[in-house]
Amino acid sequence: GEDVEQSLFLSVREGDSSVINCTYTDSSSTYLYWYKQEPGAGLQLLTYIFSNMDMKQDQRLTVLLNKKDKHLSLRIADTQTGDSAIYFCAESYNNNDMRFGAGTRLTVKP
Amino acid sequence: DGGITQSPKYLFRKEGQNVTLSCEQNLNHDAMYWYRQDPGQGLRLIYYSQIVNDFQKGDIAEGYSVSREKKESFPLTVTSAQKNPTAFYLCASGGGRYYEQYFGPGTRLTVT
Repeated sequence: GEDVEQSLFLSVREGDSSVINCTYTDSSSTYLYWYKQEPGAGLQLLTYIFSNMDMKQDQRLTVLLNKKDKHLSLRIADTQTGDSAIYFCAESYNNNDMRFGAGTRLTVKP
Repeated sequence: DGGITQSPKYLFRKEGQNVTLSCEQNLNHDAMYWYRQDPGQGLRLIYYSQIVNDFQKGDIAEGYSVSREKKESFPLTVTSAQKNPTAFYLCASGGGRYYEQYFGPGTRLTVT
């Protein structure tokens, strides 16, 4: 089947940069997304990138897209303890429908 | 405030009982979705609706039912036929400019 793949765990020290990686499936996906989920809560849209872009920066967040390799990454600069959460990569298909990865649990150690 | 609401946040039921989870949105989105999330796992699509009075099965529809009588509302019924109903249920709506989905806060259902 077609899966969006992410590593399950990432642990970093407070103040370091975090890089969360994702491999998606559909080269025709129009948009790719990163969502954040805190414990017991819904998913919060962090950022998105249009498929014809290579990079998007939004404050501490940098999204890199390698369309040839279908690889998406999310870099969080100066990671804080409040960034500890599960991060989901997602791709759009059929316009409004989405395919999600299994999520990467980011742990930030003081 | 615009957004998606789900109620209740926690729900407890006895095995064999049907239970309905509420989802309401005021974002004027045409599409709405129900996902199930189990501990340590990603999201699995249960049902989705692209327009009022129409809905489609997702990947794990067995034991669930939905209705879409109004644009704002997409209730999910977990029936007694669902073998493992205990999970975290997330509702979302879609139709934003960038095809993004917006999620509600979730309902944690426990069946004993």
